[in-house]
Amino acid sequence: DAGVIQSPRHEVTEMGQEVTLRCKPISGHNSLFWYRQTMMRGLELLIYFNNNVPIDDSGMPEDRFSAKMPNASFSTLKIQPSEPRDSAVYFCASSLAAHPRTSTDTQYFGPGTRLTVL
Amino acid sequence: AQSVSQHNHHVILSEAASLELGCNYSYGGTVNLFWYVQYPGQHLQLLLKYFSGDPLVKGIKGFEAEFIKSKFSFNLRKPSVQWSDTAEYFCAVNQGGGADGLTFGKGTHLIIQP
Repeated sequence: DAGVIQSPRHEVTEMGQEVTLRCKPISGHNSLFWYRQTMMRGLELLIYFNNNVPIDDSGMPEDRFSAKMPNASFSTLKIQPSEPRDSAVYFCASSLAAHPRTSTDTQYFGPGTRLTVL
Repeated sequence: AQSVSQHNHHVILSEAASLELGCNYSYGGTVNLFWYVQYPGQHLQLLLKYFSGDPLVKGIKGFEAEFIKSKFSFNLRKPSVQWSDTAEYFCAVNQGGGADGLTFGKGTHLIIQP
């Protein structure tokens, strides 16, 4: 089975540039999550979607960050303009979660995208 | 808002030693609890999870955890560790089931010496 797929695996860019991270959830899963991992703050939830609809984006750090899920098999996280403090590993995760309030399904994580902003 | 506290940031043990990693959460309502592991160079994998029922949960690779509601704790245990258990361990919590975002602790870096 293909797990959660993220691309690129590594991204190095310069401050001010636009960065787009991509995620393909596990086929059939209907919930998708974006997390960020840094040494200082650990793993933080940025945003998550149920059935392609954003449910909670309170973790998105600021307006420079945006996320979309145009269909059930694809999501993007965009940073525009990027800043050095955005350097982190960005993880995407998905779960089946047929019934959001009662589901006991596991979140499966992708390999992450390591972003370095110079 | 909920939060998760992992007491030990770095733990070093010898093979065959017993392991207990502490995890406390702050939220008074119903929570779901998880332990994830991140082996070097790999992505996060679920070790075990608690949603309801028996507070002693058994997971993969011989790990178990006990939910103690009165102490707001969900400590991870393994009776005898192996060198291959060297990894980063994360405790996490959510409220809304599989479709809810996770709040993670800062992680515990476990090193097992042969």
